[in-house]
Amino acid sequence: GQQLNQSPQSMFIQEGEDVSMNCTSSSIFNTWLWYKQDPGEGPVLLIALYKAGELTSNGRLTAQFGITRKDSFLNISASIPSDVGIYFCAGVSTGGGNKLTFGTGTQLKVEL
Amino acid sequence: NAGVTQTPKFRVLKTGQSMTLLCAQDMNHEYMYWYRQDPGMGLRLIHYSVGEGTTAKGEVPDGYNVSRLKKQNFLLGLESAAPSQTSVYFCASRRPVGGAKNTEAFFGQGTRLTVV
Repeated sequence: GQQLNQSPQSMFIQEGEDVSMNCTSSSIFNTWLWYKQDPGEGPVLLIALYKAGELTSNGRLTAQFGITRKDSFLNISASIPSDVGIYFCAGVSTGGGNKLTFGTGTQLKVEL
Repeated sequence: NAGVTQTPKFRVLKTGQSMTLLCAQDMNHEYMYWYRQDPGMGLRLIHYSVGEGTTAKGEVPDGYNVSRLKKQNFLLGLESAAPSQTSVYFCASRRPVGGAKNTEAFFGQGTRLTVV
């Protein structure tokens, strides 16, 4: 089955640094979603993108929907310890239940 | 404000045993999904439902069955559990059909299943 290519797989950064991660696909998606998962919890939606080229912010998070509709990236500015977790991208296809296809995740660790 | 609730949260099964995982949502969502999450593999879709009384196979359906007898509930069954089904299972649901923003899915807290 298809999974999105998400990179990097993990990051170990200093508090206060900016973080970038991206997701690429061989298929076109109409919506891109970014989720964060804390240990022992389900994924929680951070940002949703609905149009190619769209740039959307949510606090220190900024995400963009790639022009080709085959990629998306997420930036976190001035990281803090509570940013630790696993970040997933998800592409939403049209038809057939609008299934979400998930990336393999980026594990973020923040060093104080 | 319950959202998506999964029961049980943890379970240990012996190989060959059966069990049912329950997902309940109180948001009047039409679409519901079952995913499994394994280390390094993200979330993979097992089965999904686009409405009461309908179900469809996802990416990894083998060994699982589902039912959606009521709109608010989506059940995932394992008829004969195998060690390969050791995983964390997540249920998700989506808003009623119509409009781009209805593609946002909301997740439960997960069920950690171990098959020994």
